[in-house]
Amino acid sequence: DAGVTQSPTHLIKTRGQHVTLRCSPISGHKSVSWYQQVLGQGPQFIFQYYEKEERGRGNFPDRFSARQFPNYSSELNVNALLLGDSALYLCASSLGLAEDTQYFGPGTRLTVL
Amino acid sequence: GQQLNQSPQSMFIQEGEDVSMNCTSSSIFNTWLWYKQDPGEGPVLLIALYKAGELTSNGRLTAQFGITRKDSFLNISASIPSDVGIYFCAGSISGTYKYIFGTGTRLKVLA
Repeated sequence: DAGVTQSPTHLIKTRGQHVTLRCSPISGHKSVSWYQQVLGQGPQFIFQYYEKEERGRGNFPDRFSARQFPNYSSELNVNALLLGDSALYLCASSLGLAEDTQYFGPGTRLTVL
Repeated sequence: GQQLNQSPQSMFIQEGEDVSMNCTSSSIFNTWLWYKQDPGEGPVLLIALYKAGELTSNGRLTAQFGITRKDSFLNISASIPSDVGIYFCAGSISGTYKYIFGTGTRLKVLA
């Protein structure tokens, strides 16, 4: 079975631009969580979606938004990019809500110039 | 952002040695997960713990959910070169719908 997939693998944007990152969860998983990982740190929670509804939000500005589609795939959108948004963006898939084991995708490396 | 205290921060060991690392929190967690991450890749799940006092093994890896529910431990026995990487703990507080990650332990194994 396929694991969590993310696209694109790498992305280079300039300040002020907008970016959309995509994630497909493991088949049968209904929950998707998004994390930001800056170099040298552990992942930081951004959002969790379950059954197409936002169930949790981390301490990130409103420039960050996400949604989940009927097939349980998800998009993370970031507006008005800042240099500090450069990071590895990780998607994690789980069967249900937060305390279910989370399985990560390979991540999207975003560089903002 | 919020991160758990994980120690040691980094360690160099000889191949064949045993390794121990731990993660502590000021909050009570309902679930502890341990991951390994290679550079530029996503974290790979190693062990999941769901009950206080639980001891779970996965090959040469053994992890324990602390009795106080505020800490967790990971041991690697007879380390090999491919154990090199960054190990993260992650804990979930009931009802918060998120995992909080540790600061990571960077492991280097000398052949």
